[in-house]
Amino acid sequence: GENVEQHPSTLSVQEGDSAVIKCTYSDSASNYFPWYKQELGKGPQLIIDIRSNVGEKKDQRIAVTLNKTAKHFSLHITETQPEDSAVYFCAARDTGRRALTFGSGTRLQVQP
Amino acid sequence: GAGVSQSPSNKVTEKGKDVELRCDPISGHTALYWYRQSLGQGLEFLIYFQGNSAPDKSGLPSDRFSAERTGGSVSTLTIQRTQQEDSAVYLCASSLVGDRTDTQYFGPGTRLTVL
Repeated sequence: GENVEQHPSTLSVQEGDSAVIKCTYSDSASNYFPWYKQELGKGPQLIIDIRSNVGEKKDQRIAVTLNKTAKHFSLHITETQPEDSAVYFCAARDTGRRALTFGSGTRLQVQP
Repeated sequence: GAGVSQSPSNKVTEKGKDVELRCDPISGHTALYWYRQSLGQGLEFLIYFQGNSAPDKSGLPSDRFSAERTGGSVSTLTIQRTQQEDSAVYLCASSLVGDRTDTQYFGPGTRLTVL
């Protein structure tokens, strides 16, 4: 089955800096890659996603890039703000099933 | 509109007891998922329901775990003879199968503690 690895496990940046979180996946059949943000005591919230027919997608300060050949995708947050502090999860879904396979998460801390 | 709701928000039980966790999906969503999140870990898939199709139970860790979805809406996850390693946050998600990405929307979770 699918295996998703996520790095780093923790990331601390200064307010205004950029943050990058990277994930790799194992199943070349995977075609959908969402990113979720989880704040303390809450369920994960979708922040951006990308399908395999697209190499990059951007939504304001957040962007995701996908390299299908290398089987990795990354989340980029620019001009970070303290409210960006949370745990971020990447995930992948292959064409054969509906369930998502998640990475282990990255705890992002934005220092004011 | 209302999101996915789960109850209870917290559950403390003794080892060996049975527990039931409830999920109310977003109205109109045909797909429902259960995931488990152990402390400091990612989400682990448990079970998936889609309409009247047979559920995908491939993620259930043992036969102590079961789930039902009645009337295509509310779902109950049951853990029998709970063990300490069952302690985790149990998350439910729902999606509208047929939209372009089948986005999964998560509830706030039920934190289960087995003493």
